[in-house]
Amino acid sequence: GEDVEQSLFLSVREGDSSVINCTYTDSSSTYLYWYKQEPGAGLQLLTYIFSNMDMKQDQRLTVLLNKKDKHLSLRIADTQTGDSAIYFCAEKGGGTYKYIFGTGTRLKVLA
Amino acid sequence: DSGVTQTPKHLITATGQRVTLRCSPRSGDLSVYWYQQSLDQGLQFLIHYYNGEERAKGNILERFSAQQFPDLHSELNLSSLELGDSALYFCASSPEGGPNQPQHFGDGTRLSIL
Repeated sequence: GEDVEQSLFLSVREGDSSVINCTYTDSSSTYLYWYKQEPGAGLQLLTYIFSNMDMKQDQRLTVLLNKKDKHLSLRIADTQTGDSAIYFCAEKGGGTYKYIFGTGTRLKVLA
Repeated sequence: DSGVTQTPKHLITATGQRVTLRCSPRSGDLSVYWYQQSLDQGLQFLIHYYNGEERAKGNILERFSAQQFPDLHSELNLSSLELGDSALYFCASSPEGGPNQPQHFGDGTRLSIL
């Protein structure tokens, strides 16, 4: 079945770059998403990438997609303490309305 | 503000009881999704409605049911509640009409079963 995997924790120093990784199994995935969840809040859409793209950049965020290896990453440049949150990767399969979310990566930014 | 409204924000009840969670999607969005987020199981997809009709079911228990009304708001009904049902319940909406259809999430309802 479909599955999305992420590492559980990442710790970086303020000002460094963060790279959060995600692997998925559904080769028919059409869109892949990154969401951010701050404590006590819902999931906030950060960015998404269509499966025929390799890279998408949006200000401090860079998404890289390796479709062959089914690997997605989110790079946050110049990481700030306000970036501390849980980051979820999600995929949407082709021809379905079902979204599969990863377990989330808890990013801790050290001052 | 995502535009998705969930009520109530917090709900405390006892085992065996029944509760109803409500979701108002973003204006113009026809699809509503329900998710359960617990500490040990992450974010689990429960059910999806599109324009009043059920489209997909995930890991939703038989004790749980949902519906989407003509005005597009949705309700998630949880009955015979157990301690393990304590979780955050999220609603998300999307237009489901064009090529770029990310979901937008509400702030969730925190359900605590005592």
